[in-house]
Amino acid sequence: TQLLEQSPQFLSIQEGENLTVYCNSSSVFSSLQWYRQEPGEGPVLLVTVVTGGEVKKLKRLTFQFGDARKDSSLHITAAQPGDTGLYLCAAAFGNEKLTFGTGTRLTIIP
Amino acid sequence: NAGVTQTPKFQVLKTGQSMTLQCAQDMNHEYMSWYRQDPGMGLRLIHYSVGAGITDQGEVPNGYNVSRSTTEDFPLRLLSAAPSQTSVYFCASSSGATGNTIYFGEGSWLTVV
Repeated sequence: TQLLEQSPQFLSIQEGENLTVYCNSSSVFSSLQWYRQEPGEGPVLLVTVVTGGEVKKLKRLTFQFGDARKDSSLHITAAQPGDTGLYLCAAAFGNEKLTFGTGTRLTIIP
Repeated sequence: NAGVTQTPKFQVLKTGQSMTLQCAQDMNHEYMSWYRQDPGMGLRLIHYSVGAGITDQGEVPNGYNVSRSTTEDFPLRLLSAAPSQTSVYFCASSSGATGNTIYFGEGSWLTVV
């Protein structure tokens, strides 16, 4: 089983600040997804990236897929309380099943 | 759209009891799966199915059985519950194995005492 490491594990910041969370592996991904999970609910897909170096933007969220296809980052600009949740990355390694990272628990303080 | 529906939402079991977590999806997805989520360990795949009549083991299959008699339904059975099976369980469906959007149910909180 491939290992996906997410950092930081916990992050608590003030509303309006910027932040970046990371997803790393020692192996090459064929694709990578980011999900957000709110308390008491299942994860919801935010974005899928498939090309090394790819950058995707979703309003205040910017997702980047590393050139070597072994890492990804999620940057949030001007964080809002509604951004609070557990952020999970999930990677496909070749034809193997999707592997989920352990998540970053983000809290935005009003 | 109902999406992926799981029942029950909460359940307490005694060690050794058996039970079934129900899962249904109305999106005509071929691919369905069960995950468990534990603190600090992310989502781990228990069993999955690529279509009616086909099931396979994931990362942590021991103590669980599944069947897929229809495209819509994918129940998860705990054969003899153990405290180590205390977890939050998520059923999910997608139109493909990887790279496609995975739709999750709202989760089932299971406590084994």
